[in-house]
Amino acid sequence: AQSVTQLDSHVSVSEGTPVLLRCNYSSSYSPSLFWYVQHPNKGLQLLLKYTSAATLVKGINGFEAEFKKSETSFHLTKPSAHMSDAAEYFCVVSPYTDKLIFGTGTRLQVFP
Amino acid sequence: DTAVSQTPKYLVTQMGNDKSIKCEQNLGHDTMYWYKQDSKKFLKIMFSYNNKELIINETVPNRFSPKSPDKAHLNLHINSLELGDSAVYFCASSQVGGSSYNSPLHFGNGTRLTVT
Repeated sequence: AQSVTQLDSHVSVSEGTPVLLRCNYSSSYSPSLFWYVQHPNKGLQLLLKYTSAATLVKGINGFEAEFKKSETSFHLTKPSAHMSDAAEYFCVVSPYTDKLIFGTGTRLQVFP
Repeated sequence: DTAVSQTPKYLVTQMGNDKSIKCEQNLGHDTMYWYKQDSKKFLKIMFSYNNKELIINETVPNRFSPKSPDKAHLNLHINSLELGDSAVYFCASSQVGGSSYNSPLHFGNGTRLTVT
């Protein structure tokens, strides 16, 4: 069975410091993986996606994620947080079906 | 020129009522979805339609009935609303049927349903 686990429900950082949002996945075969961001009262927006082309994936707004098969991880990072990054982040696995499996979300707070 | 638009944004109603949420996408996508996000932000798929045909129905009570008049629209009708139906409902669309490599979902901004 496929699943995705976001290891932190809540992450707080200061503006200008690095961001790390952790995600582990479980899949029987090589999955597609996504990170989505949800700002308050908004729908989800795709940040980046992994589709087996390159293990380091760059997304929008300076975010990137690295696919590590040996660790079954797909952590999201950003070198320097901005106030506008405060949002809910979802790690998502796509196991070759029509159903995306969403993680439970990580709420990122950014303090000035 | 919103890509996926859903109406209304907020919906407050009493138990037992029937309500509908409308969704339209102008991206030319083949597949549309309804997701439910609970109070803990957990997102779960309810339905998906590909070219007006139902392809996913995730053990949703039959009080929920999706209707797709054409591939650009997927409406959600809910009969006999219950307190537990309170949630945010998201419409989404994608280019290829389902969640294949190059077809991420495009989401609407959600409809917050409150049943009192």
